[in-house]
Amino acid sequence: EDKVVQSPLSLVVHEGDTVTLNCSYEVTNFRSLLWYKQEKKAPTFLFMLTSSGIEKKSGRLSSILDKKELFSILNITATQTGDSAVYLCAVYNTNAGKSTFGDGTTLTVKP
Amino acid sequence: EAQVTQNPRYLITVTGKKLTVTCSQNMNHEYMSWYRQDPGLGLRQIYYSMNVEVTDKGDVPEGYKVSRKEKRNFPLILESPSPNQTSLYFCASSLTVGTLPRNTEAFFGQGTRLTVV
Repeated sequence: EDKVVQSPLSLVVHEGDTVTLNCSYEVTNFRSLLWYKQEKKAPTFLFMLTSSGIEKKSGRLSSILDKKELFSILNITATQTGDSAVYLCAVYNTNAGKSTFGDGTTLTVKP
Repeated sequence: EAQVTQNPRYLITVTGKKLTVTCSQNMNHEYMSWYRQDPGLGLRQIYYSMNVEVTDKGDVPEGYKVSRKEKRNFPLILESPSPNQTSLYFCASSLTVGTLPRNTEAFFGQGTRLTVV
């Protein structure tokens, strides 16, 4: 059974801090790993990772995948209150559309 | 505007009364999927569809049915809802090529909060 584990489950930081969110997985026939941000509504896409060692970057957010050790990290630098959200990690396998999500990390950024 | 539209957004129903949650996308996406989200359990895939008339079970298909008669629509059917199906439901869509998702970025609908009493 495919499995995705995110850590920590929750995190409270102050504005300006840097945070690292973790996602480890056990998936047969790995195809891609995706990060989403979910505020009080639908998840929105952040990154898709398919290859090891290649960092994806968007503003203060970045992510990297390690396919040998089966994990990914999401970094957020200079956090802002608007970064407060649940961050979801999802893994897709090559079984044509099957996806598995982690339970999410709830990030709270205090002013 | 590219979007995935779910209806209704909120629904309270009684045990055993059949209901349908509709999902429609306007991006000509082949791939569509249904998830339920429960506290502490993340998003769990119910059913997905790679294209018209092609559907497959996800991790938690029991108690649900789907159909994909047209590319844009992917309704979720609860034939006999039970209280354990009280949840927040999301529909999502994305592009595919061949038998694999080309870009597995999924666009999500706004969610349907279902309560079964």
